[in-house]
Amino acid sequence: EAGVAQSPRYKIIEKRQSVAFWCNPISGHATLYWYQQILGQGPKLLIQFQNNGVVDDSQLPKDRFSAERLKGVDSTLKIQPAKLEDSAVYLCASSPQGYNQPQHFGDGTRLSIL
Amino acid sequence: AQSVAQPEDQVNVAEGNPLTVKCTYSVSGNPYLFWYVQYPNRGLQFLLKYITGDNLVKGSYGFEAEFNKSQTSFHLKKPSALVSDSALYFCAVRGYSGAGSYQLTFGKGTKLSVIP
Repeated sequence: EAGVAQSPRYKIIEKRQSVAFWCNPISGHATLYWYQQILGQGPKLLIQFQNNGVVDDSQLPKDRFSAERLKGVDSTLKIQPAKLEDSAVYLCASSPQGYNQPQHFGDGTRLSIL
Repeated sequence: AQSVAQPEDQVNVAEGNPLTVKCTYSVSGNPYLFWYVQYPNRGLQFLLKYITGDNLVKGSYGFEAEFNKSQTSFHLKKPSALVSDSALYFCAVRGYSGAGSYQLTFGKGTKLSVIP
């Protein structure tokens, strides 16, 4: 099966600019996750979707971050305006429905803020 | 809130020797535990999970993990290390987020270096 697809792989922007990331999950996976992985740390959940509804966005900085999952398939994560501390790898993951299902990760987007 | 501790930033082991990557956890209720591996510039790959049952869990690429409830540990093991096992390993626990969902909490990772 095809894996989780993410684009772009790399992005460099200046602070206060906006940026968007795209994710296409594994076909049939109901649950989609966005994580932020700062260098030297484990991934931190930003937002979780079940089909096209938000399940948990408690750790999403909503003043600058937004995410959507139209039609319950693809998803986009946006940052506007970006801050220096947003420099990180943004990982998308998907899983079948079920609380003990392993998550399948994409290769991520490495974001650098100048 | 749940948490994961990986006490070693780096583990070095000679090729062919057994390896252990340590993990301890804290969570309310029954623990659901996972190990993932990350190669440079790649996403995380699932290795194995413990949900219930046998304390020794077998996973991908010859890895296994031992669940110890009394010590709240879930150490990753492999009988004979390969150079290709060199990567970053993450332990994770699933727990209730308090915001209506269950989410994975990851440790900070352990870099495994297998020396030829």
